[in-house]
Amino acid sequence: EAGVAQSPRYKIIEKRQSVAFWCNPISGHATLYWYQQILGQGPKLLIQFQNNGVVDDSQLPKDRFSAERLKGVDSTLKIQPAKLEDSAVYLCASSQYRRNTGELFFGEGSRLTVL
Amino acid sequence: GQNIDQPTEMTATEGAIVQINCTYQTSGFNGLFWYQQHAGEAPTFLSYNVLDGLEEKGRFSSFLSRSKGYSYLLLKELQMKDSASYLCAVGGNRDDKIIFGKGTRLHILP
Repeated sequence: EAGVAQSPRYKIIEKRQSVAFWCNPISGHATLYWYQQILGQGPKLLIQFQNNGVVDDSQLPKDRFSAERLKGVDSTLKIQPAKLEDSAVYLCASSQYRRNTGELFFGEGSRLTVL
Repeated sequence: GQNIDQPTEMTATEGAIVQINCTYQTSGFNGLFWYQQHAGEAPTFLSYNVLDGLEEKGRFSSFLSRSKGYSYLLLKELQMKDSASYLCAVGGNRDDKIIFGKGTRLHILP
């Protein structure tokens, strides 16, 4: 069974530029999450999708971050314009469970450096 | 509000036993997870507790007390490869979110 795929693995941009990350969850997983993990900290939930609907985006900085999950499968996370404090690893995870009672499967992450 | 506390760092010796504690305050509760994360890698699932008590899985065990808002991860017969961060995470049944603590960095000495 293929795991969660993310790209790109690494991205370096200058502040005020834009960047997009892509995630393909495990086949059949209805729930998809984007987490932001700053060095030395735990993952922080940015947005949670159930199929192609948003369940929670309360911690997504909506003035610069956007995310979509078209057709309830792949998802993209965009940052525009980027700030220095956006330097982090962006983790995508998926789960087959609706009520967060099961294991999250994480991708390898996309490491963003903003100069 | 939601809050998850765990020690920032711990050190233990190869072959020994270590216990990593986690306390939480969340709006609703739908289970507690432990994840392991090696440096530069994604978190991987270790355990899930939804009822009080101890769950044992090989060298790793996880304990939960819902009334105390407390959990611990017990690692036995420590190996060098156990050097990693251990993340405590809680699922909330009201808002269906899984919230992670900041993680405990475990250093294993030979």
